[in-house]
Amino acid sequence: AQKITQTQPGMFVQEKEAVTLDCTYDTSDQSYGLFWYKQPSSGEMIFLIYQGSYDEQNATEGRYSLNFQKARKSANLVISASQLGDSAMYFCAMREDSNYQLIWGAGTKLIIKP
Amino acid sequence: DAMVIQNPRYQVTQFGKPVTLSCSQTLNHNVMYWYQQKSSQAPKLLFHYYDKDFNNEADTPDNFQSRRPNTSFCFLDIRSPGLGDAAMYLCATSRSQGRNQPQHFGDGTRLSIL
Repeated sequence: AQKITQTQPGMFVQEKEAVTLDCTYDTSDQSYGLFWYKQPSSGEMIFLIYQGSYDEQNATEGRYSLNFQKARKSANLVISASQLGDSAMYFCAMREDSNYQLIWGAGTKLIIKP
Repeated sequence: DAMVIQNPRYQVTQFGKPVTLSCSQTLNHNVMYWYQQKSSQAPKLLFHYYDKDFNNEADTPDNFQSRRPNTSFCFLDIRSPGLGDAAMYLCATSRSQGRNQPQHFGDGTRLSIL
């Protein structure tokens, strides 16, 4: 079974609009961490934001926020006021306490239209 | 200022000719990782080092090896590259293997096999 599911293979969004990228996860661990990474076409993998399973507040980092709904096992990334430079592949990943590996979703390709 | 540096950015080698990819870090992180990423896929972990302790993933091909001579440097050696080894290779570091520790990536080396 997929542990990280990103249901949107691709998205087109108008510049300056907000965008939500979906991520659902599956784990039986009580303790885990959720990460979002951005990968532009140039290839580098950029860490964006982290949410811990025990964190009560949603994480925020500048224009990025994480809409964490623990009961629904979802950790959606919200980008406010999108910019052309936000066009990239976005990966959701999870690190369980019981497993040293990062478990990756398949990614969502986001394209921002001018 | 780059904190995880991969050289070279692009590498072309011949089928069967050994190749070495390098990674260095200025973060003084304990853990270093090597990932292989093929087009439009999530990264796949090949190995990681916790300090000098080497951990090889079960499905990492035998012709892939790694060396970590000191905290700052890590190398990926491909002894006899095949056409299927053409991919992006990403090096990453983390302070520890704690679930709240993000991995920080270099810009990657894109490997082509002729």
